[in-house]
Amino acid sequence: GQNIDQPTEMTATEGAIVQINCTYQTSGFNGLFWYQQHAGEAPTFLSYNVLDGLEEKGRFSSFLSRSKGYSYLLLKELQMKDSASYLCAQMDSNYQLIWGAGTKLIIKP
Amino acid sequence: GAVVSQHPSRVICKSGTSVKIECRSLDFQATTMFWYRQFPKQSLMLMATSNEGSKATYEQGVEKDKFLINHASLTLSTLTVTSAHPEDSSFYICSARDGSRDSETQYFGPGTRLLVL
Repeated sequence: GQNIDQPTEMTATEGAIVQINCTYQTSGFNGLFWYQQHAGEAPTFLSYNVLDGLEEKGRFSSFLSRSKGYSYLLLKELQMKDSASYLCAQMDSNYQLIWGAGTKLIIKP
Repeated sequence: GAVVSQHPSRVICKSGTSVKIECRSLDFQATTMFWYRQFPKQSLMLMATSNEGSKATYEQGVEKDKFLINHASLTLSTLTVTSAHPEDSSFYICSARDGSRDSETQYFGPGTRLLVL
C-alpha cells in the first residue's frame, strides 16, 4: 500500500515560522494536497501541488519535490488560530486521496 | 465559491434506527462526491465515492447495504446509515469535486456528528 508520513505533533511559538514535512511513495502520483482541520471541524483546503517547486499563498506556502516524494507546508508569522491538525494527502493514480494521519500543531504564546 | 453544506450537523438516534445525511454543493455542480468517516484523533477514512447518476463505489470493508449512498443530482448526495448501532457513532464528512473546473481539489462539508445510543 501507499504510506503518507508526517510528524504526529509539532510545537511552535506565536510569530515564528514552522515547517511541516510530508513524505509519500512516488508511484501513482497525481498531486499533493494540504488541508487544515481544527478540532471538531471538517478539513479546509489549503494548497495543491502537482509540479515541483514552491507555491506561496499569504502566510502559507507549500513545496513539492516529485523525485524525492517529499512535500512541506510552511507557515509564517504564526498566530494562535493556526493551532490545528494539518493533513497531507496524496492523489493516487485513480484520483483518490490517500491521507496522512495529520500533524497536530500547537502554538504557544 | 466551492461551498459544500451538510445536514444535519449533529444527530442523536436510538440503536436500530436509520439516519439520512445530506450533502449539497451550493455554488457548483459536483460530478463526484466522497463520503468519509473520522473517529476521534484519527485521520479521514474514505467510505465511498459517488458519481452522479451511477452506483457508488465502496471501499473495502464498508458495507454497501448498511451505508446507502444516493447521488441523484449534480448538487446532492445522501448517505443513509441503516439500522445504526453505537459503533457507527462517528464524524461523517462529505466532500465534492467541481466538475466544471480543471481541478482535482475536494471541498469538504462541515461534517455530521452521529451519536447512536
